Amino acid sequence: AQSVAQPEDQVNVAEGNPLTVKCTYSVSGNPYLFWYVQYPNRGLQFLLKYITGDNLVKGSYGFEAEFNKSQTSFHLKKPSALVSDSALYFCAVRDNFNKFYFGSGTKLNVKP
Amino acid sequence: ETGVTQTPRHLVMGMTNKKSLKCEQHLGHNAMYWYKQSAKKPLELMFVYSLEERVENNSVPSRFSPECPNSSHLFLHLHTLQPEDSALYLCASSPDVGRGQNTIYFGEGSWLTVV
Repeated sequence: AQSVAQPEDQVNVAEGNPLTVKCTYSVSGNPYLFWYVQYPNRGLQFLLKYITGDNLVKGSYGFEAEFNKSQTSFHLKKPSALVSDSALYFCAVRDNFNKFYFGSGTKLNVKP
Repeated sequence: ETGVTQTPRHLVMGMTNKKSLKCEQHLGHNAMYWYKQSAKKPLELMFVYSLEERVENNSVPSRFSPECPNSSHLFLHLHTLQPEDSALYLCASSPDVGRGQNTIYFGEGSWLTVV
């Protein structure tokens, strides 16, 4: 069955430190991978996506994600976290049948 | 401004009421979606429309009735809802439902509370 797993409900990091939000997936065929961010009382905003090519994808607000096919992972990263990065982050995968699957979300808390 | 506009942003309704959620996309997309977001649950895909034709209905109760009069507008008609239907309802659009690399863009959501 197709699925997306975000193993951490919450990630805490100090401002200025690097952050990683984890995502693993299980999809048949070649997946298209996405990250979205949701600020309080807002909808989901597109951050970045991996389609093909370079395994390191750069997106909005200084975020990047690394696609690892052997580990079926697509972890979101940022070299230096900001308090304003505090939000709910969703990983998503679109399979070859064009269906989207979302993870359950990871709450990122960046403390001053 | 995401290009996908949802109204109302907040709605409180009784179980016997009839109300509607509205979504409009200004991106020229052909596909539109309704998702339900409940606390601590994955996003649930409810309906998918492609060029005004419903292409997916994920076993959603009939008290939720979608309508897509054109490729820019999508409605979700609500009647005789239950308290467990209280959630954030997200509308989204994408250029085409049939191409995997397309990105899906979300509206700000409509918070629904059923009392």
